[in-house]
Amino acid sequence: NAGVTQTPKFQVLKTGQSMTLQCAQDMNHEYMSWYRQDPGMGLRLIHYSVGAGITDQGEVPNGYNVSRSTTEDFPLRLLSAAPSQTSVYFCASSPSPIYEQYFGPGTRLTVT
Amino acid sequence: DAKTTQPNSMESNEEEPVHLPCNHSTISGTDYIHWYRQLPSQGPEYVIHGLTSNVNNRMASLAIAEDRKSSTLILHRATLRDAAVYYCILMEYGNKLVFGAGTILRVKS
Repeated sequence: NAGVTQTPKFQVLKTGQSMTLQCAQDMNHEYMSWYRQDPGMGLRLIHYSVGAGITDQGEVPNGYNVSRSTTEDFPLRLLSAAPSQTSVYFCASSPSPIYEQYFGPGTRLTVT
Repeated sequence: DAKTTQPNSMESNEEEPVHLPCNHSTISGTDYIHWYRQLPSQGPEYVIHGLTSNVNNRMASLAIAEDRKSSTLILHRATLRDAAVYYCILMEYGNKLVFGAGTILRVKS
């Protein structure tokens, strides 16, 4: 199993550009989440999904969209990048509503 | 979301046990206590979780107070590779994690 994979590893965007961060898992997990981590801070939940076709907002959803058309993939779209979205983005998956989450290696995004 | 309180940092000597405390006085009856750790430049890694009883796994032990208002993560023999930020998190049913600032664990050789 590859686990949770994220692409790209690094990305630089100009203000106003849009892009999609990719997240995929091969463990057939129903639960998937997106977090951002600013320097020196803990992770904050952006969006999460409890299964294909079902998504909901977390703590900091503004400026981000998600969709979940398959169990495996959970892409995160930045609609119009802003410098405040400079952060490290982590995707995670879990097999159940109470069990552990498995995290990907992260995408480091810089918006200039 | 129920909150947790952890010390900002702790220090340990290599090969000695480490006890990382966490207070969660507003925990509800259905909240699970999860611990994760994050090594530098990596994503968080699951360590252990429990509901009411103490739990052991290959990485650590989790001791939960009888009233569930506090818990302690126990690393039995700290190594340099255990130096990380440790997060104590209350997970509600539905698999949402709300991270706090965590405890920075430093291990001295």
